[in-house]
Amino acid sequence: NAGVTQTPKFRVLKTGQSMTLLCAQDMNHEYMYWYRQDPGMGLRLIHYSVGEGTTAKGEVPDGYNVSRLKKQNFLLGLESAAPSQTSVYFCASSYFGPVVGELFFGEGSRLTVL
Amino acid sequence: AQKVTQAQTEISVVEKEDVTLDCVYETRDTTYYLFWYKQPPSGELVFLIRRNSFDEQNEISGRYSWNFQKSTSSFNFTITASQVVDSAVYFCALSYTGANSKLTFGKGITLSVRP
Repeated sequence: NAGVTQTPKFRVLKTGQSMTLLCAQDMNHEYMYWYRQDPGMGLRLIHYSVGEGTTAKGEVPDGYNVSRLKKQNFLLGLESAAPSQTSVYFCASSYFGPVVGELFFGEGSRLTVL
Repeated sequence: AQKVTQAQTEISVVEKEDVTLDCVYETRDTTYYLFWYKQPPSGELVFLIRRNSFDEQNEISGRYSWNFQKSTSSFNFTITASQVVDSAVYFCALSYTGANSKLTFGKGITLSVRP
């Protein structure tokens, strides 16, 4: 019962470095989301996808890019990391979208940018 | 624009006390959905409940109960006889309907239940 798996779980970057967070789900879900969680800010949506090959901007998309080449994977990329991107990142997926089905979340990826 | 306000940031109670977590929302949509998610210390968010805007009936699930009042735009969550395992961050969230619907979360309430 893998559910939603995020890799890596922890990463430390230097300012200007790039990296990719991988989210994989094995539930055949159509919808996938990337959120960031910061103290006192709750969860904020970065990007989301409503199906393979589609992506859309969320509330805080600047500095991030995403791709959904395969239905089961949703990648979040940081091209030039900044200290403001230090956060815990959560991936989530759902079959019909949050209105009909619950979101299933990964365990989170803690990213520190020095 | 949608907004979810969880005015309480941290609540601390002693085990067996009842506790209510407040949630106030704003939306222009007539059809919408409200949610509560729990984030235990392990970090992973867990779905608790979904309620649509046409269903104002209160819901009870074991020690958990939810009070939805459209007149005050509130969707409050009560834990009866709290336990240490209830210690977590609790998020209220809102979504409109439609193919591109997505959740808007509140900032969360950290609940600490002391033995």
